[in-house]
Amino acid sequence: KAGVTQTPRYLIKTRGQQVTLSCSPISGHRSVSWYQQTPGQGLQFLFEYFSETQRNKGNFPGRFSGRQFSNSRSEMNVSTLELGDSALYLCASSSIFDRGLTTDTQYFGPGTRLTVL
Amino acid sequence: GQQVMQIPQYQHVQEGEDFTTYCNSSTTLSNIQWYKQRPGGHPVFLIQLVKSGEVKKQKRLTFQFGEAKKNSSLHITATQTTDVGTYFCADNTGTASKLTFGTGTRLQVTL
Repeated sequence: KAGVTQTPRYLIKTRGQQVTLSCSPISGHRSVSWYQQTPGQGLQFLFEYFSETQRNKGNFPGRFSGRQFSNSRSEMNVSTLELGDSALYLCASSSIFDRGLTTDTQYFGPGTRLTVL
Repeated sequence: GQQVMQIPQYQHVQEGEDFTTYCNSSTTLSNIQWYKQRPGGHPVFLIQLVKSGEVKKQKRLTFQFGEAKKNSSLHITATQTTDVGTYFCADNTGTASKLTFGTGTRLQVTL
């Protein structure tokens, strides 16, 4: 099976702009989670989508949003970019969910490295 | 909120030496997962521990879950240069695929 793919891999934007990142999960996986990784804050959960619905949300401002399509592909959007949004954005997919509980493995994509100037 | 700390932050060992990273949570963990991230790479799942006191082995790697389910450890025997990377523990207490990652331990191995 192909792994999780993310596009683009690298992105440079300026403050105030907005950006959309894309994630294609492993075939058959219906859940997609997004994480932000920075040297200062580490790996932080942004949100999770399952069957086109946001099921969980981390502690990020409303400038960070996402959506999931019927084919499970997901996008995340960051509006009004700030310098502090520079980070590696990772998505992860997994397959098994039962009323919000899982012990299933998360498979991470290679990430999109966003630089905000 | 929940905090998951790892110690040490960084360790430099010579090839063949052992290595251990510890993961400590401020709250009881439902289950703990371990990931490895190579430099420039993405986190790769290593293992999941669910039961109190559980011990699992993968070749030179030994994973333990504390009796009180508030801590975990990863021990690597006879490190190799291929072990280089950052090791993260992660908790998904309560909610599917909402991982709370530890602060990570960066391992450097030299010949």
